[in-house]
Amino acid sequence: GENVEQHPSTLSVQEGDSAVIKCTYSDSASNYFPWYKQELGKGPQLIIDIRSNVGEKKDQRIAVTLNKTAKHFSLHITETQPEDSAVYFCAASKIANDMRFGAGTRLTVKP
Amino acid sequence: DAGVTQSPTHLIKTRGQHVTLRCSPISGHKSVSWYQQVLGQGPQFIFQYYEKEERGRGNFPDRFSARQFPNYSSELNVNALLLGDSALYLCASSLKTGTWAFFGQGTRLTVV
Repeated sequence: GENVEQHPSTLSVQEGDSAVIKCTYSDSASNYFPWYKQELGKGPQLIIDIRSNVGEKKDQRIAVTLNKTAKHFSLHITETQPEDSAVYFCAASKIANDMRFGAGTRLTVKP
Repeated sequence: DAGVTQSPTHLIKTRGQHVTLRCSPISGHKSVSWYQQVLGQGPQFIFQYYEKEERGRGNFPDRFSARQFPNYSSELNVNALLLGDSALYLCASSLKTGTWAFFGQGTRLTVV
């Protein structure tokens, strides 16, 4: 089955700096790669996703890149703000409803 | 529009008991998936239902079961609770299979 590895497990940056979170997956048949943000006491919130026919996608300060050959994908957050502090999860799946998640990255943005 | 709603929000049960968790998807969404999130880990896939049929099952024991109703709401049932079942149980809904999945706030289950 699919195995997703995510690193780093914790990341601390200064406000305004960039943050990068990386994930690798094992199943070459996976074709959907979402990223979720989870704040304390809440369910995960979809922030961006990418499908295997696209190499990069950007939404304001957030971008995701996908390298299918190497089976890895990354989340890039630019101009970080304190409200970006949360746990971020990557996931991979063949369909969007059967997602295999990474272990999460706790991002702290220091003002 | 209301998002995905789950009930109850918190629950305490004793080992060996049975529990039922409920999920109402976003209006118009026909697919519901269940995930278990143990503290400090990512969500683990349990079940997916679409149009009232099971479409996927994760690596969980038969003590876990689920169903989807004609109104697309769903229940997750867990029998013979173990201490290790303590977790946040998340429900995600999507319009259909293969589209964006939106999570509810979860049900925090504590087994004592």
